[in-house]
Amino acid sequence: DADVTQTPRNRITKTGKRIMLECSQTKGHDRMYWYRQDPGLGLRLIYYSFDVKDINKGEISDGYSVSRQAQAKFSLSLESAIPNQTALYFCATRTSGRGNNEQFFGPGTRLTVL
Amino acid sequence: AQTVTQSQPEMSVQEAETVTLSCTYDTSESDYYLFWYKQPPSRQMILVIRQEAYKQQNATENRFSVNFQKAAKSFSLKISDSQLGDAAMYFCAYRSARAGSEKLVFGKGTKLTVNP
Repeated sequence: DADVTQTPRNRITKTGKRIMLECSQTKGHDRMYWYRQDPGLGLRLIYYSFDVKDINKGEISDGYSVSRQAQAKFSLSLESAIPNQTALYFCATRTSGRGNNEQFFGPGTRLTVL
Repeated sequence: AQTVTQSQPEMSVQEAETVTLSCTYDTSESDYYLFWYKQPPSRQMILVIRQEAYKQQNATENRFSVNFQKAAKSFSLKISDSQLGDAAMYFCAYRSARAGSEKLVFGKGTKLTVNP
């Protein structure tokens, strides 16, 4: 079984709809992240969370919100989806502590906003 | 702000040959981490190799090795004995070692094609 899972894997929605993307992990990591990938732009950080009570904005948080329901679950919401939020969304996790601990990525969710 | 630049949007290599992907970065910090991630068509992001800035020795992982030039702020990836399964997008990434710094800064990627 995958350590970091994302649901749904693909989603098509319409402008103005509320959308929630979910991420779950079984790695026991305390830190979780949401990234967005656009063609030709690499990945950009939307939000990250150190633990259930500590959530922080990344570089492109406008139009998004998150919820850390439990250590293992981190959801990303688009309150009112718009077409330029069409992208590939990745969840990632990392253990805490100093070091070059890698971020482990989920399989991604491809979101299309019409 | 830190930036990562991958100057080669696309590269190609013959199977069994060697290819080098370029990455440069800009930072005023002295302690940081560098990574190469691979993204095959399945779109999964897979860590290939990582380097701590305080280590002078270049990291190696089987057929993958890096040439880390701290003064030049260069971090290239060398793939030896290229295989068809190496075909993917490759992303260079930077993360500060400063406490509380969580952001991975990615380059725009290099698409690697492996020709049989």
